[in-house]
Amino acid sequence: DTGVSQDPRHKITKRGQNVTFRCDPISEHNRLYWYRQTLGQGPEFLTYFQNEAQLEKSRLLSDRFSAERPKGSFSTLEIQRTEQGDSAMYLCASSLVLTEDEQFFGPGTRLTVL
Amino acid sequence: AQKVTQAQTEISVVEKEDVTLDCVYETRDTTYYLFWYKQPPSGELVFLIRRNSFDEQNEISGRYSWNFQKSTSSFNFTITASQVVDSAVYFCALSEANQAGTALIFGKGTTLSVSS
Repeated sequence: DTGVSQDPRHKITKRGQNVTFRCDPISEHNRLYWYRQTLGQGPEFLTYFQNEAQLEKSRLLSDRFSAERPKGSFSTLEIQRTEQGDSAMYLCASSLVLTEDEQFFGPGTRLTVL
Repeated sequence: AQKVTQAQTEISVVEKEDVTLDCVYETRDTTYYLFWYKQPPSGELVFLIRRNSFDEQNEISGRYSWNFQKSTSSFNFTITASQVVDSAVYFCALSEANQAGTALIFGKGTTLSVSS
């Protein structure tokens, strides 16, 4: 399968714990995006990488959130000291610079904070 | 500010009916892109179409068609002869060409239910 993959698909954690999600983009896609989707809403942009550089962060990305893309391939999104309000679907997307940002999405990681 | 409005929260139709999903956008940019994505019950967003702001030609792809009108800032999506498999949440989205990263701005989505 050559699509965007995300791991884990589901994560249940207790409030205050740290969690980390992984995204593997489509091979050779140089742009990688993280979005968050809560129930009944459209995805909301969190952050974006071009190769290994994090070029943009949304105001939604509080200081408890950190994202990395160390070698310009896979990316991780870590949430520290999780809160119940962090419960959401976390979506990863990738694209090629030259394709006018036709973004391909992964299946998402559903986070539940108890 | 950029904004995408999908005023229809839920639509229910019977198979073979035609259905139009509305999308109205706001942007100050002259160069931008509009998208439609489908999110079936499985949850994965599926890309349907991208349209740039300079191309107002309507597009048809099988049972799907899109009507882009800059004069009314609308990018509506019509499914002809709907089928049960069309049941999903449909999102309209906007990106602006001069924004670094061109993050997608999504509407809240329209849930389409097609019954047999």
